[in-house]
Amino acid sequence: AQKITQTQPGMFVQEKEAVTLDCTYDTSDPSYGLFWYKQPSSGEMIFLIYQGSYDQQNATEGRYSLNFQKARKSANLVISASQLGDSAMYFCAMRERSYSGAGSYQLTFGKGTKLSVIP
Amino acid sequence: GAGVSQSPRYKVAKRGQDVALRCDPISGHVSLFWYQQALGQGPEFLTYFQNEAQLDKSGLPSDRFFAERPEGSVSTLKIQRTQQEDSAVYLCASSLGWTSQGQETQYFGPGTRLLVL
Repeated sequence: AQKITQTQPGMFVQEKEAVTLDCTYDTSDPSYGLFWYKQPSSGEMIFLIYQGSYDQQNATEGRYSLNFQKARKSANLVISASQLGDSAMYFCAMRERSYSGAGSYQLTFGKGTKLSVIP
Repeated sequence: GAGVSQSPRYKVAKRGQDVALRCDPISGHVSLFWYQQALGQGPEFLTYFQNEAQLDKSGLPSDRFFAERPEGSVSTLKIQRTQQEDSAVYLCASSLGWTSQGQETQYFGPGTRLLVL
């Protein structure tokens, strides 16, 4: 089973509107972290926002917020007031405790959602 | 401050050649990760270092892939006898290490695009 599922291969949003990018995850580890990264066409992965499994409140960073629904195992990214520069690939990722290597905390990524902002 | 840097940014290799990809992590970052990103896919984990110790290499696809970080700073990913299926973007990421909040955000470099002909 996929550990991270992003069901929207592509999304369009009008400039200045809000958009929600979906992410569901699968884990049996009670301690995990969820991350969102932005990857423009230049290729660099840019960290946007983090949500820990024990965090009581939804994370927010500027125009980015994370709609964390633990029981549903979803961690959707909400971008408010979209800008043309928001056009990029967006990846949801999860960090679990790894038992394959001592203290290893690699990220497992989804397949990504391509967001296009329309002027 | 300076972010994670990688070199070369682009590499074209003939099938069977050996290649070496370099990663300079953020100064002071204990953890270093290598990921492979195929076209149209999310990155996939290759290997992890804590300082100079390679603690997890479970994601390396074959014994042709080798990584090192001898002084706990710069890391090199080496691919021997390259094959066409090795064509991908190789991303390096570094982090401070485990924090009390358990966040350990990984910061990525720009990647090396490898094309094997």
